[in-house]
Amino acid sequence: GQQVMQIPQYQHVQEGEDFTTYCNSSTTLSNIQWYKQRPGGHPVFLIQLVKSGEVKKQKRLTFQFGEAKKNSSLHITATQTTDVGTYFCAGAQINFGNEKLTFGTGTRLTIIP
Amino acid sequence: GAGVSQSPRYKVAKRGQDVALRCDPISGHVSLFWYQQALGQGPEFLTYFQNEAQLDKSGLPSDRFFAERPEGSVSTLKIQRTQQEDSAVYLCASSSTSGVGDTQYFGPGTRLTVL
Repeated sequence: GQQVMQIPQYQHVQEGEDFTTYCNSSTTLSNIQWYKQRPGGHPVFLIQLVKSGEVKKQKRLTFQFGEAKKNSSLHITATQTTDVGTYFCAGAQINFGNEKLTFGTGTRLTIIP
Repeated sequence: GAGVSQSPRYKVAKRGQDVALRCDPISGHVSLFWYQQALGQGPEFLTYFQNEAQLDKSGLPSDRFFAERPEGSVSTLKIQRTQQEDSAVYLCASSSTSGVGDTQYFGPGTRLTVL
């Protein structure tokens, strides 16, 4: 079945440093989605990328979708303490007319003030 | 309500007990998903409903797991004869259509602990 790998598993950065997490799928995706989960919370949708090579920005966050639609990255510039949490990518494949999401293992970001 | 709600938020069960977990999706949402999230892992797909029809149950780990959505709104995930390996957070998500590219909105989850 489809597998989605994410690296690194953990990342500790000083406040103000940049952060990047990488996501790789074993199969071509219809789209990829990114979620943020705060400690003790539930996944919250951040963004969806659909097109090959697509790049989207949300303030300090930059999301990229690879040309082959099998990998993606999330880059945060100048991290803040509010960025703490686990970032999951989720690869989408069409199944029974709807999307079936396969989540990555997540990257847990901690910020050193 | 404004979002997806789940109850109970926490459930402790003795091994062998049956449990029922409830999900109230966002009103009018067509699609409903159940996920299982073990500690330190990403959510894993269990099953998917489009209205009252269960279109995909390929992620259910065993025949002890059963889900229903009889009126196309509220859904219940039932686990029979619970085992310790069933301990996890069970997340429910809904989306407004059955189409591709629709955002899934997650509920707060039910944390199940099996002793």
